[in-house]
Amino acid sequence: GQQLNQSPQSMFIQEGEDVSMNCTSSSIFNTWLWYKQDPGEGPVLLIALYKAGELTSNGRLTAQFGITRKDSFLNISASIPSDVGIYFCAGQGISGSRLTFGEGTQLTVNP
Amino acid sequence: AAGVIQSPRHLIKEKRETATLKCYPIPRHDTVYWYQQGPGQDPQFLISFYEKMQSDKGSIPDRFSAQQFSDYHSELNMSSLELGDSALYFCASSSRRAKNIQYFGAGTRLSVL
Repeated sequence: GQQLNQSPQSMFIQEGEDVSMNCTSSSIFNTWLWYKQDPGEGPVLLIALYKAGELTSNGRLTAQFGITRKDSFLNISASIPSDVGIYFCAGQGISGSRLTFGEGTQLTVNP
Repeated sequence: AAGVIQSPRHLIKEKRETATLKCYPIPRHDTVYWYQQGPGQDPQFLISFYEKMQSDKGSIPDRFSAQQFSDYHSELNMSSLELGDSALYFCASSSRRAKNIQYFGAGTRLSVL
């Protein structure tokens, strides 16, 4: 089946620093999504990407859909303590189909 | 804005018991998805329904079944529970008119003792 490799697995940064994480796949996806999950809660959508090469921002977050359609990255600028959580990438083949998730990146921000 | 509602939030069961998890999608969403997330793992797709018909099936055990009702809410029925079924169960919903972006509920934490 399809697999997503997400890196890094964890990051420990100081408040104000920038963060970058990425996902790669052995298969092509038509949609890439980035979610954030707090402990015991459901994933919350951050950014959705629909076209190869697309670069999209949402406040301090920027994500790109790789040209090969097999990868995506998420950048967080000027991190703040509330950015703490687990960030998941997810790929989707056909619209409306299941999501395949990466393993997640645990982000810790030290004040 | 209304979100995906899941109930109960927490559930404790004994081995071999049954459990029913409920999901109420965002209004006017036509597709519902179920995912299972083990401790420290990413969500794994179980099953989905579009317009009350099963649309896709993932790694869902035969002991589990699900359906979507006429009001679009969905229920995940789990029988002969095993210790390994302890996990967070998420429901997500989407609408084809809104690019089928999946929005997740807060989940049900199932503990099997």
